[in-house]
Formats: sequence, structure tokens, C-alpha cells
Amino acid sequence: GAVVSQHPSWVICKSGTSVKIECRSLDFQATTMFWYRQFPKQSLMLMATSNEGSKATYEQGVEKDKFLINHASLTLSTLTVTSAHPEDSSFYICSASRSPYEQYFGPGTRLTVT
Amino acid sequence: AQKITQTQPGMFVQEKEAVTLDCTYDTSDPSYGLFWYKQPSSGEMIFLIYQGSYDQQNATEGRYSLNFQKARKSANLVISASQLGDSAMYFCAMREGGTGNQFYFGTGTSLTVIP
Repeated sequence: GAVVSQHPSWVICKSGTSVKIECRSLDFQATTMFWYRQFPKQSLMLMATSNEGSKATYEQGVEKDKFLINHASLTLSTLTVTSAHPEDSSFYICSASRSPYEQYFGPGTRLTVT
Repeated sequence: AQKITQTQPGMFVQEKEAVTLDCTYDTSDPSYGLFWYKQPSSGEMIFLIYQGSYDQQNATEGRYSLNFQKARKSANLVISASQLGDSAMYFCAMREGGTGNQFYFGTGTSLTVIP
């Protein structure tokens, strides 16, 4: 149990376009979902925390208007990178939590902006 | 101050031997949880082991054990009988009881198992 999926697993887009990444908890209801960004050989950087039905809480330095997060249901959260630029190229990982002491990660999405 | 500190950027271990990956943490919250994750080159974060701050015994999961020293605020991961498939990045993480569900991650340790 406790499987989290992400789609797509990798995406290439042109500069200026928007990209949507989906995160789904497949076999449990996630009260909270997290979005992380990871640069090569670095740790995970928390971007935002989202609870179902409420606005996401963004970490300091993360642009809310650029990284739109929607947590429409207990099993789905989406991250939309708007007007993507090459510096947005990164590995984006979501995780889902059904209790305070659990966090299950998706397989990640590799975004390349050309 | 860093919430989670991993001081070993890279570690090597001979196959079949045991290895300890260090992790220290900083919190004033009496209720917290400590986690270890493995991240192979594919990028997926794989949960390994969990230790609660009130747990009396050290957590164990198969070949993984957590050496929890509360007074020293350390939560080292011990991998016994290393296998080639253990080569990966390992991240220590903490969740504090009073801060919602946010997890704090360390910078990671890259483990290489040598045949």
C-alpha cells in the first residue's frame, strides 16, 4: 500500500510555455501533499505544502504565481510551472501524507526547459 | 541552524560489510520523528526506517537499523551485510510534532558498495 504516482515522469518544454505535473495517491487518501525540487546531487528543497481544499503554503523564496499548486481532492495534487524558463529545469518530486508520521514519495518528474 | 546534518558526503563500503551513515538533528520539540530514505539513480525516494522520539527501542527493518541516541541528538543508519544494490544516496529527515507535516531533509550521503 501507500503508492504515489507522478505524471509525466519526464517532460521537455519550450521556454515560455506552461507544464502541469500530477501527483496521485493511488491507494490512500492524502490529507497533505508536498512538492519538492531537487537539483543534481543536492537534497530535496521543499517548495510548498498543500492540504486538500485549501490554498498551498509556499516556502520562502518560492514564487506562488510561477508554481501553481492545486489540491483538488484527497488523492490528487497538481503543480503547474507557468511561463517556464531554462532555470526551472529540475527534478520535481511530490509526496503524500495520510498521517503526521508518514510521507510517501512519487517517482519524480524530470523537467527540461529548452 | 540546520535541522538535519549529514556530515558524510560520500561513503564506501565493501560488499557484505556493515556501514554506518551519520545523522544529527536539532529540535526543541519533544515530539518528533526521524526517517531515512534511499534515493537510487532513478530518483525515486524509498522509505527505509522510522524512529519516533518516544520510542524506547532502536528501530530495525531487515538489514537496516537506526542507532538512536536521543541525548546526543543523533540517528545514525546502520546497513548490515551491504549489497551492491545498496549503492545510492541516503537522506535523513525529521518531522517535528508541532509544525504540521513538514519534513526537514539533510544534504544526503552517497554510498558506494564495492564488490
